[in-house]
This record gives sequence, C-alpha cells and structure tokens, in this order.
Amino acid sequence: KAGVTQTPRYLIKTRGQQVTLSCSPISGHRSVSWYQQTPGQGLQFLFEYFSETQRNKGNFPGRFSGRQFSNSRSEMNVSTLELGDSALYLCASTRTRGAVTGELFFGEGSRLTVL
Amino acid sequence: SQKIEQNSEALNIQEGKTATLTCNYTNYSPAYLQWYRQDPGRGPVFLLLIRENEKEKRKERLKVTFDTTLKQSLFHITASQPADSATYLCALDDTGNQFYFGTGTSLTVIP
Repeated sequence: KAGVTQTPRYLIKTRGQQVTLSCSPISGHRSVSWYQQTPGQGLQFLFEYFSETQRNKGNFPGRFSGRQFSNSRSEMNVSTLELGDSALYLCASTRTRGAVTGELFFGEGSRLTVL
Repeated sequence: SQKIEQNSEALNIQEGKTATLTCNYTNYSPAYLQWYRQDPGRGPVFLLLIRENEKEKRKERLKVTFDTTLKQSLFHITASQPADSATYLCALDDTGNQFYFGTGTSLTVIP
C-alpha cells in the first residue's frame, strides 16, 4: 500500500512569490492535515480537510490556504511568501477524523526555502 | 496558555541503557497521547498510542506511561541501540479533531 506522497520535495522561492504544495493521502484515507515544522516552533498545525471541507484551522495568517479534492488529494498554497515561511511542510492522512482512530501517517514533507 | 514540553532538546545515552523521555502538558485534557519518531529530513512515524484510562502501554522495547493527574507521559526505550537515535515527538489531541505536538527530544545512543 503506497504511503502519503508529497510533491515537490524541495523548492526555493523568493519573497513575494506564491507556492502550491501537493499531498496524496493513503488510499481510503479521507482526512488530510497539514503541518509546518521549523526548528524553533516544532510542528504547528495548519489545517485539516475531511471530505473536501476544511474542518479545523490553526493559528496561521490568511496567506496560508488549502483545499481538498474529491479523490482526497489536497493542496496547500502560501501567497506573498516571507522569509519566515521557510520550513518543512508535512502532510498527514488518517482514515477518519481526529485522533480517535489512532495514528497519523505522514509524508516525507516539502522543504520550502524562501530567499 | 497551552503548552507541551519535552525534556531537554537533546539526550545522549550509552548503548544498552534505558532512555527515558518526558512529555509534560499544560491546559490540555487529552483523551489520547501518542509518540512519534522522526529521522532527519523525514516525516514523523507513529510508535505508540495510549488512552487516558490506560496507565501503561508496551511494544517490544518501547514503554509509554500516561499520568493524567501529573499531566505527564514518559517514553522508555530499553536496551537502547544506535539505530534508536532520532527525534521523538509526543502528540496529544484535545478536541478530538486536532493534534498538538511537542518540540521533540533528540536522542543519541552512543555505541
């Protein structure tokens, strides 16, 4: 069974640009959540999607957005990039919502560098 | 404010010893607490889940305890090996819809 796939793995952007990251969850998983990981802050929750609806959102500015498609694939977008957006962006999937089913399955992440 | 704190950013131990990692939380009421392992440049990998009504959970050389009175979880790796070197993250849910992660403890097992 294929794992969670994130693309691209690495990317470099300049300030003011925008970026779109993609996540394909494990087959059959309907919940996709996104996290930002930085050395100082650890994993910070961005948002969760379930059945194409955003169910939960973390404390990030509106420049961070996402969506989920009918096949459960998800994208997140960051507009007007800032230097502080440099981070590892992780996507995780679960079969249903939240912690009740147990583990999150993470992808390998997309490493974004903003110059 | 809500906080999840993991003991010392880095922990070094000798091979064969037991590593004990701590996760303390404030102003959360989790029904579940989980531990993940993360290797450099990789996504976290699930290790163990413990529920609020469970005191202890074991899996091979791993043991997790959960004390809701102390608001603390301990994660033990017995007979540690260099291959156990990684960053270990604790995570908890508060509302059932979102995970909150600690900043992690970097464990190095010295041969």
